[in-house]
Amino acid sequence: QSALTQPRSVSGSPGQSVTFSCTGTNNDVGGYNYVSWYQQHPGKAPKLMIYDVNKRPSGVPDRFSGSKSGNTASLTISGLQAEDEADYYCCSYAGSYTWVFGGGTKLTVL
Amino acid sequence: QVQLVESGGGVVQPGKSLRLSCAASGFTFGTYGMHWVRQAPGKGLEWVTLISYDGSNKYYADSVKGRFTISRDNSKNTLYLQMNGLRAEDTAVYYCAKRENFRFDYWGQGTLVTVSS
Repeated sequence: QSALTQPRSVSGSPGQSVTFSCTGTNNDVGGYNYVSWYQQHPGKAPKLMIYDVNKRPSGVPDRFSGSKSGNTASLTISGLQAEDEADYYCCSYAGSYTWVFGGGTKLTVL
Repeated sequence: QVQLVESGGGVVQPGKSLRLSCAASGFTFGTYGMHWVRQAPGKGLEWVTLISYDGSNKYYADSVKGRFTISRDNSKNTLYLQMNGLRAEDTAVYYCAKRENFRFDYWGQGTLVTVSS
């Protein structure tokens, strides 16, 4: 149950697009289409942004999109806004009713 | 609306026990699996455990297997986490989260557990 690998930080200017990567193995990201992404503002609970690789819950702006290739999943935010500044965590189902998270990426909006 | 409210956190000595609770409302609690996820100070999220909708199946991360026990009381709409043999590395904010297929669709605000002598 090793954590998924995420870059420590990403930055972008308002209006730009940024992409977060999330690398796992054949036993998690590569083995299932059950990658989800969570946004967490400081001191707050995580919020579901993307599930099943590329699906958005109702209420999440379509500026947020997800994809996967092999053992690497990605979250893209287009039209970056100041309120998007937060930590972002990927998560994958890892089989046998276990889940694994990434270490998180801090997004800075310049 | 869905609400999850954790309680029971605090400061506890290494080797001691603590029980967390998560009060659920706004959805039919007894028809959903529930998770506990934790976050050590300044660190990432770590999945801890899952219980099925009726409590008949339980799953644990290796890091807590044999020490932590998840349970639920559907008549009280409440989820529990019994933590025994606590270690310094168990220090974290513990979140309960509602299971929706393979995602965590609603989260509580968390309760802080500090293991220290």
